[in-house]
Amino acid sequence: AQSVTQLGSHVSVSEGALVLLRCNYSSSVPPYLFWYVQYPNQGLQLLLKYTTGATLVKGINGFEAEFKKSETSFHLTKPSAHMSDAAEYFCAVTQANQAGTALIFGKGTTLSVSS
Amino acid sequence: KAGVTQTPRYLIKTRGQQVTLSCSPISGHRSVSWYQQTPGQGLQFLFEYFSETQRNKGNFPGRFSGRQFSNSRSEMNVSTLELGDSALYLCASSFSGRGVDEQFFGPGTRLTVL
Repeated sequence: AQSVTQLGSHVSVSEGALVLLRCNYSSSVPPYLFWYVQYPNQGLQLLLKYTTGATLVKGINGFEAEFKKSETSFHLTKPSAHMSDAAEYFCAVTQANQAGTALIFGKGTTLSVSS
Repeated sequence: KAGVTQTPRYLIKTRGQQVTLSCSPISGHRSVSWYQQTPGQGLQFLFEYFSETQRNKGNFPGRFSGRQFSNSRSEMNVSTLELGDSALYLCASSFSGRGVDEQFFGPGTRLTVL
């Protein structure tokens, strides 16, 4: 069975500091990996995804993530945090060969950004 | 293109009642998935419909059901509501329903069971 673990339910950074949100996955087949962001009272918005090919994936709003198969990780980073990045972030996995789109989510990490 | 819409946005029900939530996917999308979001359990997959057929189902009791219409709009129903059913219910649509596809999420329906 697939699973996702997000280390740290809450991360606090200063504006302009590096953002690092950790995600480890478990999958017996090649995974598709996603990072979503959720702002208060809103649905989820896709930041980036990894399917195949280049392991460093660039997304929206300056975020990027690197797929490391040997470490079963897909950590999300941003070089310089903005106040507007404060939100909840979810890592998710789905099976590459599965019909359908059942995303398995991590528990989420709340990012706080202080001035 | 209009995004995924969900109605109603907020609902208050009492234990034992039933509720129906509605989701309109992005035009042209044929796959609709439903998720439950709670503080304790996080985001959990309920089920997915593609071309009016349930293709995938999560680990929820039979009180949770859904359907999809020929225009891809979907409804989910929860019967005999329990306090633990209080949650944000999110609907997501994708074009072909393949695992690699991006899912576009609606704003959710906030259900409160008293």
